[in-house]
Amino acid sequence: GENVEQHPSTLSVQEGDSAVIKCTYSDSASNYFPWYKQELGKRPQLIIDIRSNVGEKKDQRIAVTLNKTAKHFSLHITETQPEDSAVYFCAATPGFQKLVFGTGTRLLVSP
Amino acid sequence: ETGVTQTPRHLVMGMTNKKSLKCEQHLGHNAMYWYKQSAKKPLELMFVYNFKEQTENNSVPSRFSPECPNSSHLFLHLHTLQPEDSALYLCASSQAPRTGAGETQYFGPGTRLLVL
Repeated sequence: GENVEQHPSTLSVQEGDSAVIKCTYSDSASNYFPWYKQELGKRPQLIIDIRSNVGEKKDQRIAVTLNKTAKHFSLHITETQPEDSAVYFCAATPGFQKLVFGTGTRLLVSP
Repeated sequence: ETGVTQTPRHLVMGMTNKKSLKCEQHLGHNAMYWYKQSAKKPLELMFVYNFKEQTENNSVPSRFSPECPNSSHLFLHLHTLQPEDSALYLCASSQAPRTGAGETQYFGPGTRLLVL
């Protein structure tokens, strides 16, 4: 079955710096890759997603890149702010509705 | 409340108890999901329902019994749970995929369950 690995597990940056979180997946059939942000005690919320027919997608300070050949995708956050501090999860969809999640990255943005 | 709601938000139960978790979505979706979120483990998909029919059971023990009476409501019935079942149980909903590609899933706030 699909296996999603996510790195790093924790990431500390200074406000204004960029943050990059990387994920790899194993099943070449995966065609949908969402990223979720989960603040402490709150629900996971979708921040950006990308489909397998696209290599890059950007939404203001957030971007996601996908390399299907290498089976990896990355989340890029520029000009980080303290409110970006949260746990970020990547996921892959090997078939239909079966989202397989990574283990999460705890991002801490220090003022 | 809009979006996806879950009750109760917190639940403490003994191993011999029977309890139920409830999820309701107000987004007009026709697919609903149960996930388990344990500390230091990835979110694990448990069940998927499309148009009230169960389409995925991710090898979940029978002490967890889902029920989907309609496209807006989803229940998770719990009985004879173990302490290792303590976790955050998240419900999600989405449109049912039409082309095989993924659809955005919207999560509820979760029920934090503690089994003593």
